[in-house]
Amino acid sequence: EAQVTQNPRYLITVTGKKLTVTCSQNMNHEYMSWYRQDPGLGLRQIYYSMNVEVTDKGDVPEGYKVSRKEKRNFPLILESPSPNQTSLYFCASSPGREETQYFGPGTRLLVL
Amino acid sequence: SQQGEEDPQALSIQEGENATMNCSYKTSINNLQWYRQNSGRGLVHLILIRSNEREKHSGRLRVTLDTSKKSSSLLITASRAADTASYFCATVPTGGFKTIFGAGTRLFVKA
Repeated sequence: EAQVTQNPRYLITVTGKKLTVTCSQNMNHEYMSWYRQDPGLGLRQIYYSMNVEVTDKGDVPEGYKVSRKEKRNFPLILESPSPNQTSLYFCASSPGREETQYFGPGTRLLVL
Repeated sequence: SQQGEEDPQALSIQEGENATMNCSYKTSINNLQWYRQNSGRGLVHLILIRSNEREKHSGRLRVTLDTSKKSSSLLITASRAADTASYFCATVPTGGFKTIFGAGTRLFVKA
């Protein structure tokens, strides 16, 4: 089944404790993105990747890192999480930057 | 800043009525997409309309695009309670790489 998976689905952590949210797709898509969703703000793009080893900042990259060492995986790293990073995070992939995006189920993060 | 802006922010209608949502954007685009999100879940793609298209249909969905006004509308006909969800438009500026989503319209269809 074609899908985008994210783990974990729910995470409670404390300020400053490094964490990684994994994202994997099995559709051989080149374009992958991370978004955060906050009430009233819609989805905001954090980082995107056009292909392996090619990543760039979205609109809200501060406090986040990403890597794209393999085509299927695009982990989101929070080196030192802060409470303002409490949010709902989505990973998505698509064949190209302007094509239909397929979204993962989301990761709810609470930073205390 | 958000390129896409939907209005209304929220819409409540009776089952069987039509629902219309609008999206405005700021730069030139090659296509515009509409997505649906059920409460806190991942977004699901509904329809893509290209800049050289004015109207597109998919089942009960009708999307229009007016590139001169930089706006799009999504019409859901004969709405059902199961259509209750948030609806978002998304664009990628021509020549750009970032995807920009609007804040969404929350639709509530009463049975």
